[in-house]
Order: sequence, then C-alpha cells, then structure tokens
Amino acid sequence: DSGVTQTPKHLITATGQRVTLRCSPRSGDLSVYWYQQSLDQGLQFLIQYYNGEERAKGNILERFSAQQFPDLHSELNLSSLELGDSALYFCASSTGEYVEAFFGQGTRLTVV
Amino acid sequence: EDQVTQSPEALRLQEGESSSLNCSYTVSGLRGLFWYRQDPGKGPEFLFTLYSAGEEKEKERLKATLTKKESFLHITAPKPEDSATYLCAVVYQDNDMRFGAGTRLTVKP
Repeated sequence: DSGVTQTPKHLITATGQRVTLRCSPRSGDLSVYWYQQSLDQGLQFLIQYYNGEERAKGNILERFSAQQFPDLHSELNLSSLELGDSALYFCASSTGEYVEAFFGQGTRLTVV
Repeated sequence: EDQVTQSPEALRLQEGESSSLNCSYTVSGLRGLFWYRQDPGKGPEFLFTLYSAGEEKEKERLKATLTKKESFLHITAPKPEDSATYLCAVVYQDNDMRFGAGTRLTVKP
C-alpha cells in the first residue's frame, strides 16, 4: 500500500457527461501528479500541483481540469467525455521537487 | 522536447537468465531518474531513484545504474515473479515527471 488513495476505483459513464476523480496524497506529501494510461499505452503526464499551486502542465485537454485543495487532496475533473477518454487515471504524490512519487491504484474510467 | 526512450519494448527470459533494460534520455537539465515496476491494472511501484552519473542502487535481484545519457536496470537470475512492465521516468528543471513507454518483461519458469 503506497498510502495514496484514489476514489472511485471504477467509473462508468456516458459520452458527454462530467466526472470528478479524487486523490488523497500520502501524509506529509505536498506534490500531486495526475497521469492518464490508455489500454496498452504509457503513462501520459497531465498536470502537477505543489502545495495548492499548479506547477507543471503536460498534454492535458481543455476539457480536463484539476485543483489541489488546502488539505492537499486533489481532484481531476473531466467534462464532455468522449469514448477515447476511457483509461486508467493515476494520481501520485511526493514530498517535494525532484524526488520519487508514489502512485495510487488508479481510477478506471469507462465511457460508453 | 525532452524525451525518454526505453528498450527493448518487450523481453522474454528464462528463469535465471540475467539481462538489462535500457532507458535513454535527452540531456538538458536532468534532475532525477526513477525506475518503477507496474503490474497489469495496478499503479506503478517505486523501485529506485538516481541523481548523478556513476550512481548505482541495488535491491534484491535488481540493480540500477546511471550514466550521462542513459540508465540501465540489470536483472540478475530473474524469477517468474519479476514479470512486469518496468518503467523509467525523468524529472527535468520544470519538475514534471515524464515516463518512457516501458519494457514488458516476461520470465518463464
């Protein structure tokens, strides 16, 4: 158990809908990363927050947004969902910069 | 754009047959290199962190090394339970952690 908690574990929703994925980082970790992993694809970096502020941005679609709250948990919002958004979404957390990150078990999103 | 390239894409070994996985990266402000193991449908599991050329880390049958342009993950006398996808990630000055596509390792008994 990495100490990073993601909810829900599974999510099935229809095209055009909006969903929110939640991540609770390890105790004491200030940095949160979000990744997307499609079937047989690598981990695509979406966005990183550090102590509530956006720190780095990857190939995140405009339909997607995220935030980190004062208690350091983070949420990833996905809207106007398309079939191609079906994937595993991982959250990871770390203590700070340039150190290893620890991953949650992911949220499997299925868009039908 | 900074790139992380892993090779081979897939590797099949017999139990006890040692080998190495490669991770090469563009050299522009590397701040750290990380190795992870990922089992199907699970989150990546952290293995090693390397920061400087010449650095080595070891854990059970795995040993990670770092040069100025690449890193190797050496697997000595692997067992079937070592079968997984091994991922390399790098962090550059902008701090986002970028992953390679991974090497899918299968160890046959």
